[in-house]
Amino acid sequence: DTAVSQTPKYLVTQMGNDKSIKCEQNLGHDTMYWYKQDSKKFLKIMFSYNNKELIINETVPNRFSPKSPDKAHLNLHINSLELGDSAVYFCASSAGTSGVGEYFGPGTRLTVT
Amino acid sequence: DQQVKQNSPSLSVQEGRISILNCDYTNSMFDYFLWYKKYPAEGPTFLISISSIKDKNEDGRFTVFLNKSAKHLSLHIVPSQPGDSAVYFCAASSTTSGTYKYIFGTGTRLKVLA
Repeated sequence: DTAVSQTPKYLVTQMGNDKSIKCEQNLGHDTMYWYKQDSKKFLKIMFSYNNKELIINETVPNRFSPKSPDKAHLNLHINSLELGDSAVYFCASSAGTSGVGEYFGPGTRLTVT
Repeated sequence: DQQVKQNSPSLSVQEGRISILNCDYTNSMFDYFLWYKKYPAEGPTFLISISSIKDKNEDGRFTVFLNKSAKHLSLHIVPSQPGDSAVYFCAASSTTSGTYKYIFGTGTRLKVLA
């Protein structure tokens, strides 16, 4: 059983387009995250939701909008894609401060041409 | 400002020997630390954690050591196995902040040679 799943796994699109990445977790966790891993392999948090409420919103362009329809889902919508948005985006979830770390999805490789 | 640093981008170790991966942090508010392992084309997988109230935590072949005064932690893998070849990330958080936010290092690629 997949714990944290993301779709699509690969996404190639042109500058200026709008795209979404979906994330679902079946672990019953109440906290979900989006991370961006850039070309330098630096894994940086973008957003976090706890019980559908936004609790972390890092310095991310407002072209990026997360949406959490329920505790098990956290989708990432990106408007007006730019070349610099090319990266691997990881979704993750955790049971709040349970102390066992986060469970990550397999990542979505976004390439903007 | 990179608050969590892994200064060795890569490390090669012979099978059966000890692998030591290092991580430094700058924020004295960090009180919870984790190590993740990542294979290509997969998401990071949680490996082991340590709270700042401890200086050592062991789980099978993996041991994490924390030196709070030096703001340094290390992951020891012994004996190293070829299947341990992966990228290892350390991450830190401040549990008192209540924001569930982990700061990651840039990773160290471990290669265990058979």
